[in-house]
Amino acid sequence: EPEVTQTPSHQVTQMGQEVILRCVPISNHLYFYWYRQILGQKVEFLVSFYNNEISEKSEIFDDQFSVERPDGSNFTLKIRSTKLEDSAMYFCASRGLTAGTAYDSGSNQPQHFGDGTRLSIL
Amino acid sequence: GNSVTQMEGPVTLSEEAFLTINCTYTATGYPSLFWYVQYPGEGLQLLLKATKADDKGSNKGFEATYRKETTSFHLEKGSVQVSDSAVYFCALRRSYNTDKLIFGTGTRLQVFP
Repeated sequence: EPEVTQTPSHQVTQMGQEVILRCVPISNHLYFYWYRQILGQKVEFLVSFYNNEISEKSEIFDDQFSVERPDGSNFTLKIRSTKLEDSAMYFCASRGLTAGTAYDSGSNQPQHFGDGTRLSIL
Repeated sequence: GNSVTQMEGPVTLSEEAFLTINCTYTATGYPSLFWYVQYPGEGLQLLLKATKADDKGSNKGFEATYRKETTSFHLEKGSVQVSDSAVYFCALRRSYNTDKLIFGTGTRLQVFP
C-alpha cells in the first residue's frame, strides 16, 4: 500500500539554526499538510497546500515557517530560525482527489500520515 | 469554535475485554469524523471514518457511529488484543471552507494478556 514517507526520523538542531523537514507524499495525491505534536499535547494543524500554494495556515505558522514543493515528489517544511518551543514531532500528510470528477469531491478522502520527524532544538 | 474532547487515559484492559473510548465534538455544520491510531514509534494511521449522521465506520473489529443528536463518535471493540495497545485519536474535519483535521488529545490504550 502506498505511504507517505518522511526524513529524517529524528533531527537535532541548535536554536537559531534553519531546519528543513522532508516529506514524499503518496504519488497521485494533490493536497498536502503539515501537523505537529508537542510532547504530551494535541496534534495541531500547521498548514495545507494545494496547486503550489498555501490554502490554509494556522496561527502557529508564522513568518518563520515556509513550505515548498520543489519538484514533483517532495514537500518540505522549513523553519528559518528555530526556537526551543519548536521541539515537537512533525507529521506530513497527503490526500487524494476522487478520479474522474471535475471538482473536488475528495473532501471525503482521508488524509494519510507519515511516521513523523522528531525535531529536537537544543 | 470547533473542538474534539476525548476521555482521558490511560485505559487499561485485559485481553478480550470490551473497549469504549468516548469522543464528543463541537462543530458548525456537518463535519466528517475520524479515528486515527498511533502505535508505538509510528505515525498516525486512519482507523475508520464516518461522513454523515448515523454512519457507522468500522475496521479491524473497531466500530464508531456518528451520532449527531449527542455530538458523539465513541470508539468500540468487542474483544481487545494486546496488539491493540496504542494511542487513539478522535478527529473532525468541517465540511466547508477548510479540510484541516482537528484532533482530540488522544487516549492511550494498554491491553495486558
